Amino acid sequence: DVQLVESGGGLVQPGGSLRLSCAVSGFSVSSNHMNWVRQAPGKGLEWLSVIYSGGSTKYADSVKGRFTISRDNPKNTLYLQMNSLRPEDTAVFYCAKDGQGGPFDYWGQGTLVTVSS
Amino acid sequence: DIQMTQSPSSLSASVGDRVTITCRASQSINTYLNWYQQKPGKAPNLLIYAAATLQSGVPSRFSGSASGTDFILTISGLQPEDFATYYCQQSYSTPRTFGQGTKVEIK
Repeated sequence: DVQLVESGGGLVQPGGSLRLSCAVSGFSVSSNHMNWVRQAPGKGLEWLSVIYSGGSTKYADSVKGRFTISRDNPKNTLYLQMNSLRPEDTAVFYCAKDGQGGPFDYWGQGTLVTVSS
Repeated sequence: DIQMTQSPSSLSASVGDRVTITCRASQSINTYLNWYQQKPGKAPNLLIYAAATLQSGVPSRFSGSASGTDFILTISGLQPEDFATYYCQQSYSTPRTFGQGTKVEIK
């Protein structure tokens, strides 16, 4: 069975850092394109970042230079390192797997990040 | 960046109704268009990909179509479990932009 489980969310002060994890079972993160998506309270979905199976990465302008996507192949885990956090980064963060042709066919349950003093 | 414009932002419908939601891309995305359903407190769930292909396990009352840069999600015979928010997303290029969502509410 495919499972994606995010962790690492919580309350952080503005300017602080947090690392999110997405532990995957049922497929290999290194063989698939993996994404992070967030959803601010009461708002829509915002794509943040992708790490391709080949290892290259891309970011949304809103997080470029502040967030870093990575993976640990032996642990089969995806990460999102978030630095210089701002109140507007408050959201539920989801990891999601790329299916063939690009739809996100599997999602984690989400982890809430709150940036507040 | 490709902009995805969804309409309407919300709608009220009754069980059994036929519902259509439209998504327009700001430029050609071929058929790299996906539809998701999201219920409160839950992760989005893939319904349709490649504009018209039903994801495995999704009821056949959901269908998708495309005409140029316009895409339509149709729910034929709305069921109680279909009251949710629906999002389109293009997977033609990064950033993988989403529409702003359409909330389907009970009339």
